[in-house]
Amino acid sequence: DAKTTQPNSMESNEEEPVHLPCNHSTISGTDYIHWYRQLPSQGPEYVIHGLTSNVNNRMASLAIAEDRKSSTLILHRATLRDAAVYYCILRVENTPLVFGKGTRLSVIA
Amino acid sequence: DTGVSQDPRHKITKRGQNVTFRCDPISEHNRLYWYRQTLGQGPEFLTYFQNEAQLEKSRLLSDRFSAERPKGSFSTLEIQRTEQGDSAMYLCASSLGGASTDTQYFGPGTRLTVL
Repeated sequence: DAKTTQPNSMESNEEEPVHLPCNHSTISGTDYIHWYRQLPSQGPEYVIHGLTSNVNNRMASLAIAEDRKSSTLILHRATLRDAAVYYCILRVENTPLVFGKGTRLSVIA
Repeated sequence: DTGVSQDPRHKITKRGQNVTFRCDPISEHNRLYWYRQTLGQGPEFLTYFQNEAQLEKSRLLSDRFSAERPKGSFSTLEIQRTEQGDSAMYLCASSLGGASTDTQYFGPGTRLTVL
């Protein structure tokens, strides 16, 4: 399974943008980049995914480097509800998700 | 709410007992996944189904673990002769399948405590 590297933790002020980095230097051409997050005491939830181009949805934006060896999840205005563990996952088609330890995001009011 | 549901939400059992967990996926979702999560770790994949067919079971942690999805709808995960090391959160997810890559929707999990 392809590996991703994320910082263990990050902190953000409420209402500020947050940039969560992910390195995936061994990514292959068929790997999609998925982001899921897990709020306290809940199951993970889908955030966004992309292949080559940057992606936007109502929750976040995904910026993918031109060489695809890294990506950044962007939360445009962090709220207290965004405090969670964020997982960056490489996935080939519909294979099961392989989670790492993720980045624990703390949001300060 | 028609999301993924899991039952029970919490289970406390004594070592050596058998336990069974149930997962009801989102209606019409063909794929169903089971994961296990221990404290401080990300979820770990165990097994998954396409309709009633079990596509991957080599990641089940031992032969004490088994899963079924008899009619392609709900699924059960059974752990026989539980051990203290089985204490964890067991998560179920479902997805439509079929597309090049799809979204998995997770249930709230069943927290197992083995005494």
